Amino acid sequence: QVQLQESGPGLVKPSQTLSLICTVSGASISSGSYYWSWIRQPAGKGLEWIGRIYTSGRTSYNPSYNPSLESRVTISVDTSKNQFSLKLSSVTAADTAVYYCASGGSPEDWGQGTLVTVSS
Amino acid sequence: QTVVTQEPSLTVSPGGTVTLTCASSTGVVTSDYYPNWFQQKPGQAPRVLIYSTNNKYSWTPARFSGSLLGGKAALTLSGVQPEDEAEYYCLLYYGGARGVFGGGTKLTVL
Repeated sequence: QVQLQESGPGLVKPSQTLSLICTVSGASISSGSYYWSWIRQPAGKGLEWIGRIYTSGRTSYNPSYNPSLESRVTISVDTSKNQFSLKLSSVTAADTAVYYCASGGSPEDWGQGTLVTVSS
Repeated sequence: QTVVTQEPSLTVSPGGTVTLTCASSTGVVTSDYYPNWFQQKPGQAPRVLIYSTNNKYSWTPARFSGSLLGGKAALTLSGVQPEDEAEYYCLLYYGGARGVFGGGTKLTVL
């Protein structure tokens, strides 16, 4: 089973870029074939799929993004650190949420989530 | 914008059977959408129960089953237990790439 841990600032100012890292253990990003996803959940609301990237060996393919976020989102992989990351630019209060990283096609393995608040 | 619709809330008696559904604004849901079903309890990360329409994981209780029903994806709980009270989300993949979650169904066991 893959273990995932999100990390990054818990507070981001409006108009700035939210940056989160997901550290993977129990699997090597640079071997095998996996999907690596980001999902978020505002307090008291439902889940929102942000995007995912597919890796096969050391090759990562073009990520797929939620169309409503696509212009602001970047998901990338750092195989040397066994991590993948999320960048969301031009944030507003509406981006305040618990952010989860996850792996697998479903996805089946999830991090515990990290709360990111957008506020000045 | 693609919308995935679930029942906002359902109530079932212990030992009963309930079916949750997942509809797409684009039309009929087929296995090509790889329907997945997640259970989320308060304060916890979601946990996947069903993948690709009707496939279970080793941790999925036998009373949970997935199917396609009337143009929608469906999750059926047979012999509901009190611990099944939770929020349930479906996730559909469009073009095998972009995912969209449903709004969630709050299941009450009463």
